Amino acid sequence: TQLLEQSPQFLSIQEGENLTVYCNSSSVFSSLQWYRQEPGEGPVLLVTVVTGGEVKKLKRLTFQFGDARKDSSLHITAAQPGDTGLYLCAGGNTNAGKSTFGDGTTLTVKP
Amino acid sequence: NAGVMQNPRHLVRRRGQEARLRCSPMKGHSHVYWYRQLPEEGLKFMVYLQKENIIDESGMPKERFSAEFPKEGPSILRIQQVVRGDSAAYFCASSQGLYNEQFFGPGTRLTVL
Repeated sequence: TQLLEQSPQFLSIQEGENLTVYCNSSSVFSSLQWYRQEPGEGPVLLVTVVTGGEVKKLKRLTFQFGDARKDSSLHITAAQPGDTGLYLCAGGNTNAGKSTFGDGTTLTVKP
Repeated sequence: NAGVMQNPRHLVRRRGQEARLRCSPMKGHSHVYWYRQLPEEGLKFMVYLQKENIIDESGMPKERFSAEFPKEGPSILRIQQVVRGDSAAYFCASSQGLYNEQFFGPGTRLTVL
């Protein structure tokens, strides 16, 4: 059974601070997705990373896939209250159908 | 291109009644996934379906829960004889890409009185 562990589980910071959240596994994945979920809504796909060592940037968000494709990190620069939400990572394997989701990191950015 | 549609958005049932949750995947997507989420928790996988076939139902409770994805029409998650513990948000996702990027609907929030 493939498992994804996300840390920290909860994070509360002030506007303007930087932060990093982590997604770790002992298993190798073909791809890894990051989602953000706001209260009362479904998760929204932010990015997919597929190559070991890959780095993708989305405005103030930087996503990295580990060289061994077992872990990933999400770094947010100068966090804003609009970044508040539940951040979920999900690992997938080609042709395996089901993705494995982590339990998420709940981020609160205070103004 | 419309996203994943779920209805109803909110559903209230009394104990013992049936709940039927509907999901229309994105156009061109033939893979559908159902998840359950309790407050302050992550997504728990329930079932993965392709058209007319259940591929993986390892997360589905053995009793009272069933899912289908017919050749025509939406995917249906059916919960029979609901109990208070079934109260949760139920999300549907669909995919078609090689890397199984899943696109989620807005969810159905089930409340059992």
